[in-house]
Amino acid sequence: SQKIEQNSEALNIQEGKTATLTCNYTNYSPAYLQWYRQDPGRGPVFLLLIRENEKEKRKERLKVTFDTTLKQSLFHITASQPADSATYLCALETGANNLFFGTGTRLTVIP
Amino acid sequence: NAGVTQTPKFQVLKTGQSMTLQCAQDMNHEYMSWYRQDPGMGLRLIHYSVGAGITDQGEVPNGYNVSRSTTEDFPLRLLSAAPSQTSVYFCASSQPGGNTIYFGEGSWLTVV
Repeated sequence: SQKIEQNSEALNIQEGKTATLTCNYTNYSPAYLQWYRQDPGRGPVFLLLIRENEKEKRKERLKVTFDTTLKQSLFHITASQPADSATYLCALETGANNLFFGTGTRLTVIP
Repeated sequence: NAGVTQTPKFQVLKTGQSMTLQCAQDMNHEYMSWYRQDPGMGLRLIHYSVGAGITDQGEVPNGYNVSRSTTEDFPLRLLSAAPSQTSVYFCASSQPGGNTIYFGEGSWLTVV
């Protein structure tokens, strides 16, 4: 069965630095992979989608890479700010836009 | 912009009771789905629908029923609530083709 590992449960980083979150998966390679942000008591909010034929995607201070050989995606937040503190979820597409989620990494940006 | 609306936000049920979690979207999305989120686990797919009149099971469907009589609504029914169904439930909607998936704000359910 599919399995996703996100590098750590929690990550603390100094303001202004680049945060790098890792998502490793096993078994089949999905058609696309998504990253979401979730704040306490709220629903997940879509950030970025990267398809299997794309190596890298950027959106403002966010960058995602997708290596289907390594079965890994990296999620970067450059020039991090305290407002970036949240839990970030990696999710693989399993068909019909359904997603298989990792457990998330809780990022804290320290002023 | 309502997006995906879930009701109720919070609910406490007794074991054996039944209830329906409501989900409505105003974006004319074809795809809708229900997930549950438990501590230490990723969101898990319960049921999904690719259009009105079409539903299918996800990873953890037991104890839940769904129907999709309209494009807008996708209710989730708990037939006989059990403490193991204590969780946070999220409804989601999207258009086909790997587009952005929109989630509701969640429904917190406690079964005692």
